[in-house]
Amino acid sequence: QVHLMQSGAEVKKPGASVKVPCKASGYTLISYGMHWLRQAPGHSLEWMGWINPGNGDTKYSQKFHDRVTITSDISVNTAYMELSGLKSEDTAIYFCARGLWFGDLRYWGQGTLITVFS
Amino acid sequence: QSALTQPASVSGSPGQSITISCTGTSSDVGAYNYVSWYQEHPGKAPKVMIYDVSNRPSGVSSRFSGSKSGNTASLTISGLQAEDEADYYCSSYTNTNTLVFGGGTKLTVL
Repeated sequence: QVHLMQSGAEVKKPGASVKVPCKASGYTLISYGMHWLRQAPGHSLEWMGWINPGNGDTKYSQKFHDRVTITSDISVNTAYMELSGLKSEDTAIYFCARGLWFGDLRYWGQGTLITVFS
Repeated sequence: QSALTQPASVSGSPGQSITISCTGTSSDVGAYNYVSWYQEHPGKAPKVMIYDVSNRPSGVSSRFSGSKSGNTASLTISGLQAEDEADYYCSSYTNTNTLVFGGGTKLTVL
């Protein structure tokens, strides 16, 4: 069965970067896109971007485009989201979700809490 | 891209039906049949309930249905049950090849 495993919670200082892995099992990473979203405490889901692991194409939300990088390593069936220049407002749960380019996020990781704290 | 507009909260009694609206623009909801609805229980990852406006993934109850008219999509839950109490989010593909989500609706089963 399809499973997306994310890493554990992290605490980061303002200005730092974080790279969150999302290891896929039960299917081959290149078969589907991988989206990244986040949810700040008490807030809505916010789409950050996605990658087509088959060819490496990416698309980012305008809000994050200069700070986020989404990559994949098909040798370990894992996608990554790196967010740089962290601010306190980036404190949120970050999710990976398998989906097609137009959405339909059928499978989700368990989420990774990133806390930005000085 | 502005977030899609959803009511902050809706409520209903067990057995009743409720509808949650999701209003976008001609650049997202109105332009594509790529609207999805997600259910989120506290502390859990979201779960897709409807995709492509009105399709249900395998395993999702037929009590959940979706529709769209113009720039507004809707999620209807019939025969409300206690376990339906959750937050619901709509999302749409956009003309800038991105996804946009709604602000979320808290469903309370009275």
